[in-house]
Amino acid sequence: GEDVEQSLFLSVREGDSSVINCTYTDSSSTYLYWYKQEPGAGLQLLTYIFSNMDMKQDQRLTVLLNKKDKHLSLRIADTQTGDSAIYFCAEIRDNYGQNFVFGPGTRLSVLP
Amino acid sequence: NAGVTQTPKFRVLKTGQSMTLLCAQDMNHEYMYWYRQDPGMGLRLIHYSVGEGTTAKGEVPDGYNVSRLKKQNFLLGLESAAPSQTSVYFCASSVSHEQYFGPGTRLTVT
Repeated sequence: GEDVEQSLFLSVREGDSSVINCTYTDSSSTYLYWYKQEPGAGLQLLTYIFSNMDMKQDQRLTVLLNKKDKHLSLRIADTQTGDSAIYFCAEIRDNYGQNFVFGPGTRLSVLP
Repeated sequence: NAGVTQTPKFRVLKTGQSMTLLCAQDMNHEYMYWYRQDPGMGLRLIHYSVGEGTTAKGEVPDGYNVSRLKKQNFLLGLESAAPSQTSVYFCASSVSHEQYFGPGTRLTVT
């Protein structure tokens, strides 16, 4: 199938904002997701956005959705060392069951 | 409420050996999934199940079999392990559109 794309690495300084970008493929996706994976752990759902929304804010997290360009971004304000992890973008495709398609993940490194 | 659990956490197999990975969830979710995670490739769906007694193929099903005899359990089997199956395996379950993941099983095939 077609791929969900993300850049693989991002480094920011503690206290700065991080912006992680994703391009997805299925214009009919109803939900788009951001997951966080810490070392040695499974994926944890961070936030999601319904496809009829442009923006969603949840404390330090802001999700922006540009449906025309099929572009999704996650902004983390005041990035902390505890935010260091891999962040996965995902879309849901309902061609069979509830099929979630994941990007390759962006490894965020937060420098002191 | 343990969420999604996976057994074992680590395993080393020789080429040609078989094994079964167990996933259990206590959230009464209908949907369950098996993924493999390889560096730089995100998660790829191996098999999934939309309810007890049902299974279906995902993106990369070859070399794997699954069974869902009980709603809370989803088993992933490797009949004859190959080095290409060295990976981290994640199980997940979902309700509505939200997925919950287990901690993963790291499998090495030598």
